Amino acid sequence: DAKTTQPPSMDCAEGRAANLPCNHSTISGNEYVYWYRQIHSQGPQYIIHGLKNNETNEMASLIITEDRKSSTLILPHATLRDTAVYYCIVRARSDTGNQFYFGTGTSLTVIP
Amino acid sequence: KAGVTQTPRYLIKTRGQQVTLSCSPISGHRSVSWYQQTPGQGLQFLFEYFSETQRNKGNFPGRFSGRQFSNSRSEMNVSTLELGDSALYLCASSPHTGTGQETQYFGPGTRLLVL
Repeated sequence: DAKTTQPPSMDCAEGRAANLPCNHSTISGNEYVYWYRQIHSQGPQYIIHGLKNNETNEMASLIITEDRKSSTLILPHATLRDTAVYYCIVRARSDTGNQFYFGTGTSLTVIP
Repeated sequence: KAGVTQTPRYLIKTRGQQVTLSCSPISGHRSVSWYQQTPGQGLQFLFEYFSETQRNKGNFPGRFSGRQFSNSRSEMNVSTLELGDSALYLCASSPHTGTGQETQYFGPGTRLLVL
């Protein structure tokens, strides 16, 4: 069962930063926060993940609050190609299984 | 490295038939997971295979089955197809690092249409 809450949709102007929020108020100490995106009818694409520290890679930044109950994915300069559904997922560290629970995600539309 | 590949990309079947989908993971990845995506239910976990053993299973009927070969390639089979099985079937592979950070990398999917 999905353990995250995301707004169903958001708009962002091209060239501006897109800030996508995610609530995971029941997250456990050993659970990671993962972000994926899915462009229409393609396979989900991994973006970034983190445990408690903020993370940055070539695609995005992940800001996790100190209490770890929420996080924000930041796309610093959104382009039209960033239009997609963004999924926030929490996943426990486990050596006995590897499954992600995808919620309904946030549909981000980048506007020219 | 080449990404996850899935074959076929598109498939049309009729009710009652069975279908086999194939997935080749990223080289070196030992875990393969399968997901079903439909407009109504979203992305749902089917099962995961690691070292040729099913390690995890979602809430799907027994008509859905899978297996993994010694080279980590995986197949999933759906028997007695129903109209509701029309979906995008996604395969994801991940390395087994033992760190718990098992990022999954998805293939492009197989779109199955059941008539």
